[in-house]
Amino acid sequence: EPEVTQTPSHQVTQMGQEVILRCVPISNHLYFYWYRQILGQKVEFLVSFYNNEISEKSEIFDDQFSVERPDGSNFTLKIRSTKLEDSAMYFCASSEAEDSEAFFGQGTRLTVV
Amino acid sequence: TQLLEQSPQFLSIQEGENLTVYCNSSSVFSSLQWYRQEPGEGPVLLVTVVTGGEVKKLKRLTFQFGDARKDSSLHITAAQPGDTGLYLCAGAATITDSWGKLQFGAGTQVVVTP
Repeated sequence: EPEVTQTPSHQVTQMGQEVILRCVPISNHLYFYWYRQILGQKVEFLVSFYNNEISEKSEIFDDQFSVERPDGSNFTLKIRSTKLEDSAMYFCASSEAEDSEAFFGQGTRLTVV
Repeated sequence: TQLLEQSPQFLSIQEGENLTVYCNSSSVFSSLQWYRQEPGEGPVLLVTVVTGGEVKKLKRLTFQFGDARKDSSLHITAAQPGDTGLYLCAGAATITDSWGKLQFGAGTQVVVTP
């Protein structure tokens, strides 16, 4: 069964460093999303991406964040200068169309020290 | 921003019992999804409900969407230990948003003991 895959599963980084989280969405999907979940809190929407550009973003998605689809299969989330409060599980998701369900990856646990 | 309130927050039952989890909002949703999440993993989609009053069954799980599309419930019949998990409801943040731009509830942690 097709699935969204994310790498790495766990990343530890020092405060101030840049990190790139990688995702391979389901191959025929056109809409891509990043979410995050701080430990013990709700899953929160960060950004949606379609047709090689950001469709929508939340207040959390500030100038420190960026997304890119560098090739036909990968979808990345970059955090330029990580802060302690960026520590969270980051989930990538994809959907086939605007009105179809999103399928989530297993997540990347980001720990900023 | 539409808020989704889930209740109860935590539910512990014995194997074989039935349970119901609720998801409520003051706003209308174009669609509502139920996910299940295991510790350290991503949400796994269980079902999507779209039409007011809709009822969907997935083996021992029954999902209902309220007539006004503001609330939903998940009922599990004869729960098994394998049903243990965090059950999340999620809906598009506004009625015009894509189904992937989701507002999540805080979840109901279900524990089924043998």
